[in-house]
Amino acid sequence: EPEVTQTPSHQVTQMGQEVILRCVPISNHLYFYWYRQILGQKVEFLVSFYNNEISEKSEIFDDQFSVERPDGSNFTLKIRSTKLEDSAMYFCASSDGTDEKLFFGSGTQLSVL
Amino acid sequence: QKEVEQNSGPLSVPEGAIASLNCTYSDRGSQSFFWYRQYSGKSPELIMSIYSNGDKEDGRFTAQLNKASQYVSLLIRDSQPSDSATYLCAVIEGYGGSQGNLIFGKGTKLSVKP
Repeated sequence: EPEVTQTPSHQVTQMGQEVILRCVPISNHLYFYWYRQILGQKVEFLVSFYNNEISEKSEIFDDQFSVERPDGSNFTLKIRSTKLEDSAMYFCASSDGTDEKLFFGSGTQLSVL
Repeated sequence: QKEVEQNSGPLSVPEGAIASLNCTYSDRGSQSFFWYRQYSGKSPELIMSIYSNGDKEDGRFTAQLNKASQYVSLLIRDSQPSDSATYLCAVIEGYGGSQGNLIFGKGTKLSVKP
C-alpha cells in the first residue's frame, strides 16, 4: 500500500539552528501539506502546496518557515532559526485531489534544545 | 476562530460494546467532516469521511452528521482492545476553506477493556 514517508523520524537541534524536514508523498498525489502537533495538543495546519506553490498557510507558518518541492518526489519543510516552541511532531500529508482525504506520514519529532 | 470541540475522555467501554464519540464544530459553512484514529506517538489515520446529513456505515464504524446541530459522531460497534486510541474529529473550513486545511479537535481517548 502506498504511503507517505518522512525522514528523519527524530531530529534534535539547538535553538537558532536551521532544520529541514523531508517527506516523500504518495506518488500520484498532487496536494501536499505540513501539520504539526505539540505534545498533548491538537494537530495544527501549517501549509498546503499545489502546483509548485503555496495554496494556503496558517498564522503559525511565519517567515521562518518555508516549503519546497526540489524534485519530482520530495517535499521539504525548512525552519530557518528554530525556537524552543517549535518542538513538536511534524506531519507531512498528501492527497490526490479527487476527494478531501489526507494521508499522513509517520512524522518527524523535532526537539529544540 | 473556527473551533472543533471534543470531550477529551478517557472514554472507557468493555470489549464488545458500542463506543460513541461526539464532536461539535463552530463553522456553520463547513461541508466536509472526517474521523481520524491516532495511536500514541503515531500519525493520524483516516477512518471515515462524511459530507451529507445522516449516517454512513463502513464495517464496524458509523459516522453520523447533523449540520443543523453542527454535530458529528462516530459509533464503533463490537469494540475491540485494538480500537483503544485517540479519535480525532476534523473539519474543513467552509465558505472558501481550501482542500486539506483541516481543523482538528483535540481528540477523545478511547479505552476498550478486555
